[in-house]
Amino acid sequence: DQQVKQNSPSLSVQEGRISILNCDYTNSMFDYFLWYKKYPAEGPTFLISISSIKDKNEDGRFTVFLNKSAKHLSLHIVPSQPGDSAVYFCAAQGSGAGSYQLTFGKGTKLSVIP
Amino acid sequence: GAGVSQTPSNKVTEKGKYVELRCDPISGHTALYWYRQSLGQGPEFLIYFQGTGAADDSGLPNDRFFAVRPEGSVSTLKIQRTERGDSAVYLCASSFGLASEQFFGPGTRLTVL
Repeated sequence: DQQVKQNSPSLSVQEGRISILNCDYTNSMFDYFLWYKKYPAEGPTFLISISSIKDKNEDGRFTVFLNKSAKHLSLHIVPSQPGDSAVYFCAAQGSGAGSYQLTFGKGTKLSVIP
Repeated sequence: GAGVSQTPSNKVTEKGKYVELRCDPISGHTALYWYRQSLGQGPEFLIYFQGTGAADDSGLPNDRFFAVRPEGSVSTLKIQRTERGDSAVYLCASSFGLASEQFFGPGTRLTVL
């Protein structure tokens, strides 16, 4: 049973427009959420994170929103650039000792069209 | 090196063979993680180490999989009697501490024929 779900396998956006990537989770024990970006033949690289005590975290062009009651988070990229084209993984981490592993979604492939 | 390195980058083996996959973490990182990414899936947790000991191996799929980290730095993931279903990219990550950001290596692509 998938505890972290990214229901859109792919997304295409025009350069300069907003990209919105969505993620849902089912495990209420998750309290820290991360977005990773992955280029082909490379490992995932950390992009941005959010703690469950917050509902928004911003870093430059990237903003992550968390709706804890809906168990939903989203990543906004504004403005989108061709170099943002990659696979984006949503990941979640539990609280307390023994919960350090990340649980990932299946990823969303973002294509930014020049 | 500056990042996590993994060797080999690609490994092709035959069903039933034994393979070892190596991970060199970032210097000074005490925590090390192994994940497996099958085609069309996100990375799935296998095992993590804090220092030399396996703190959590609950993600290992069966007893054909084993990992060691004898000196608290380099780790080796060992797979016995490989099966075609073991084909995947095996990712290693390290972090300064267990609650810190995980940095991933480029992965080893394992193909079992």
